[in-house]
Amino acid sequence: KNEVEQSPQNLTAQEGEFITINCSYSVGISALHWLQQHPGGGIVSLFMLSSGKKKHGRLIATINIQEKHSSLHITASHPRDSAVYICAAMNYGGSQGNLIFGKGTKLSVKP
Amino acid sequence: DSGVTQTPKHLITATGQRVTLRCSPRSGDLSVYWYQQSLDQGLQFLIQYYNGEERAKGNILERFSAQQFPDLHSELNLSSLELGDSALYFCASSPKRGGGELFFGEGSRLTVL
Repeated sequence: KNEVEQSPQNLTAQEGEFITINCSYSVGISALHWLQQHPGGGIVSLFMLSSGKKKHGRLIATINIQEKHSSLHITASHPRDSAVYICAAMNYGGSQGNLIFGKGTKLSVKP
Repeated sequence: DSGVTQTPKHLITATGQRVTLRCSPRSGDLSVYWYQQSLDQGLQFLIQYYNGEERAKGNILERFSAQQFPDLHSELNLSSLELGDSALYFCASSPKRGGGELFFGEGSRLTVL
């Protein structure tokens, strides 16, 4: 079993839909990252969370430390949101860059 | 644009060869991280340098080595290349030794034939 599990693996949505991507982890963490990877390959860091909730534009990330679960929400989805979304956990005591990555959720938003 | 520059963007080479990937971090960032993304293993942390010193090591093979220079750019050296080394190699930088946001480069795509 992977230490960081994401669901779903693939997600197709219509433009305007509300989207949720889930991430569960089995290790003790000091922070959790959400990353976005576009088809060209480049990676962008969306959020780094250690508790609660963060919002940036149409993106919202939440984390429940007790339940070892995080969610990424996209409101009013748009075709330009099509990408792979990756959650990554930073272990307690680990270097910030020593992340354990989920396998990613491939999102396709249709116009 | 993250401010992190990686070269080359694409590289094709043969088994047994050696290559060097280069990363220039954002101006002022002292930490550089290297990651490998392959089809079967996904993203994996390889190694971190902070202000010229190795700080953390992940799943980095002995055939691979890295260093960070006084001007803070970093190089990842991959030697005795095997077909399975074909992957995207990312570097990321951060202003801090630990904690804080990561800024990723566009990656170097290595193909070993």
